[in-house]
Amino acid sequence: DIQMTQSPSSLSASVGDRVTITCRASQSISSYLNWYQQKPGKAPKLLIYAASSLQSGVPSRFSGSGSGTDFTLTISSLQPEDFATYYCQQSYSTLLFTFGPGTKVDIK
Amino acid sequence: EVQLVESGGVVVQPGGSLRLSCAASGFTFDDYAMHWVRQAPGKGLEWVSLISWDGGSTYYADSVKGRFTISRDNSKNSLYLQMNSLRAEDTALYYCAKASEGSGSYAPMDVWGKGTTVTVSS
Repeated sequence: DIQMTQSPSSLSASVGDRVTITCRASQSISSYLNWYQQKPGKAPKLLIYAASSLQSGVPSRFSGSGSGTDFTLTISSLQPEDFATYYCQQSYSTLLFTFGPGTKVDIK
Repeated sequence: EVQLVESGGVVVQPGGSLRLSCAASGFTFDDYAMHWVRQAPGKGLEWVSLISWDGGSTYYADSVKGRFTISRDNSKNSLYLQMNSLRAEDTALYYCAKASEGSGSYAPMDVWGKGTTVTVSS
């Protein structure tokens, strides 16, 4: 099974900060890596798919990079509405669409 | 508007059964694979199951394999999850989610419902 890890598990940041979240797969998943944002009490929302493609309607301050086993989600200038939990998810293995444990971004 | 609405979540005793439903609207349902994803209280997301656009292929997480069955009725634009032999650890908010393409392979989940809550407790 492919295991996903994320770091950090949480972070505190200020509005305007550049934020970087890392996701690592236990084996190569090519570019089959997606990022989701979840706010408290809400369903997850797709932000980035195929490692670096921005989902329609998602602000351009969000970007993704990486391939193989190491991936990054970057928020270039954190906005108040970006405080949320972020999950990576691999879609390389149809047998198990594993999510990472999540990274909570809160206000410093 | 593309929409997914889950229903069927209740309190059920350990060992019991339950069927969740997900009603889809605003898109051509039988063009897309569909997922179930769950989230235990205060925990992260856990993928549960996937069904292809035609129902011909189904996949399950190891934690539910042999107990849960995913199905769909394209004539009713509906997705289902039959849950048997329920355990306390199945307690969660269950989301249905649309894959961005038909087979589900490699595709992200681009539309999510609001979820329905299943509580397994005596």
